[in-house]
Amino acid sequence: EVQLVESGGGLVQPGRSLRLSCAASGFTFDDYAMHWVRQAPGKGLEWVSGISWNSGSIGYADSVKGRFTISRDNAKNSLYLQMNSLRAEDTALYYCAKDMSSELVEYFQHWGQGTLVTVSS
Amino acid sequence: DIVMTQSPDSLAVSLGERATINCKSSQSVLYSSNNKNYLAWYQQKPGQPPKLLIYWASTRESGVPDRFSGSGSGTDFTLTISSLQAEDVAVYYCQQYYSTRVTFGPGTKVDIK
Repeated sequence: EVQLVESGGGLVQPGRSLRLSCAASGFTFDDYAMHWVRQAPGKGLEWVSGISWNSGSIGYADSVKGRFTISRDNAKNSLYLQMNSLRAEDTALYYCAKDMSSELVEYFQHWGQGTLVTVSS
Repeated sequence: DIVMTQSPDSLAVSLGERATINCKSSQSVLYSSNNKNYLAWYQQKPGQPPKLLIYWASTRESGVPDRFSGSGSGTDFTLTISSLQAEDVAVYYCQQYYSTRVTFGPGTKVDIK
């Protein structure tokens, strides 16, 4: 059974940093591209970033480009999102999602339960 | 970026009746080399992550009831729930993956009338 478990969320002040993690199990992690998708409270889904199986292709939404960095460790079956210079508008539930492809991008077959990031002073 | 729009924003349908959700992309998501539409549909129930329903515009994900169907091509797509059940109350999102910078529609909320 595919499992994606996010962690690392919390309350952080504007301008500070946070690192999210996603622990994957139940599939061959390095066969698939992975993504972060966020959902602000009461709002819709916003793709944040994606990374191919070997980290050779990476993409970011304009809203986070230059501030967020996606990475993965295939030996640890883990996906990460380093978030710097956080803003109030980054407040959201952050989901880890598994792509159906090894490259970027196809549809997202599996999603984690999400980790909540709140940016507030 | 490809902009996705959905209509209506919300709809209320009687149990057993048909629900239809429309999705439109700002540019075609049909890839001519393989004749595939890079369009997916997701269902999100309160307090849960999104669940994949349909991909390649019309292929139902394994385990998804056959009352859910997807259609359309190019820039115009439709998700149809042929006979609404109580457990179908949710928000439905379309997503394009034609561009590596994927984008989602704003969502359509489906309720029971």
